[in-house]
Amino acid sequence: DGGITQSPKYLFRKEGQNVTLSCEQNLNHDAMYWYRQDPGQGLRLIYYSQIVNDFQKGDIAEGYSVSREKKESFPLTVTSAQKNPTAFYLCASSIRGLSGELFFGEGSRLTVL
Amino acid sequence: DAKTTQPTSMDCAEGRAANLPCNHSTISGNEYVYWYRQIHSQGPQYIIHGLKNNETNEMASLIITEDRKSSTLILPHATLRDTAVYYCIVRVGVSGAGSYQLTFGKGTKLSVIP
Repeated sequence: DGGITQSPKYLFRKEGQNVTLSCEQNLNHDAMYWYRQDPGQGLRLIYYSQIVNDFQKGDIAEGYSVSREKKESFPLTVTSAQKNPTAFYLCASSIRGLSGELFFGEGSRLTVL
Repeated sequence: DAKTTQPTSMDCAEGRAANLPCNHSTISGNEYVYWYRQIHSQGPQYIIHGLKNNETNEMASLIITEDRKSSTLILPHATLRDTAVYYCIVRVGVSGAGSYQLTFGKGTKLSVIP
């Protein structure tokens, strides 16, 4: 089945450690996104990519990094510079064009101990 | 992008229609209205979107007022599985190349009650 796969679903990290969250899609979508969600809050955009080898910062990019070496993959690294990394991270993808329908993965919950 | 205003929470009896309102009084002529929902601890799910005309699909109906300053998402026969947070978003639709940076607010928490 086509869709977006995020891994791991749950992740624990010690302070000062970098961690990479995986996002893979087989929908042949050009655009991919990373959002962060804190308890009881909406989603905030971290980074997005419209095409391979290109990406742009969203509203809260500080302390995060991404890469887009393949169309199918858009990994997110949460670095030690991110002051409050504990959150629910959501990856999404979409076609390019008029339709704004985003397809989301099931999310990765990161807890910093 | 235009901001939206939604009630924080709503209840609906199972089997009844759920009507979720959204105000977007500053919407521009080229901005679409999108609705998504998020079931607890899952990724959001696209429901429907529209520009001017009312829209209907297998999940819901979207009613947009003539002045486009507000809209209502209708779930015709709510079930317990419709309990979720519903997000109303307005966004410019870009033709050709472009990504869609949808801004998700806090949404409306809909509780469907048996």
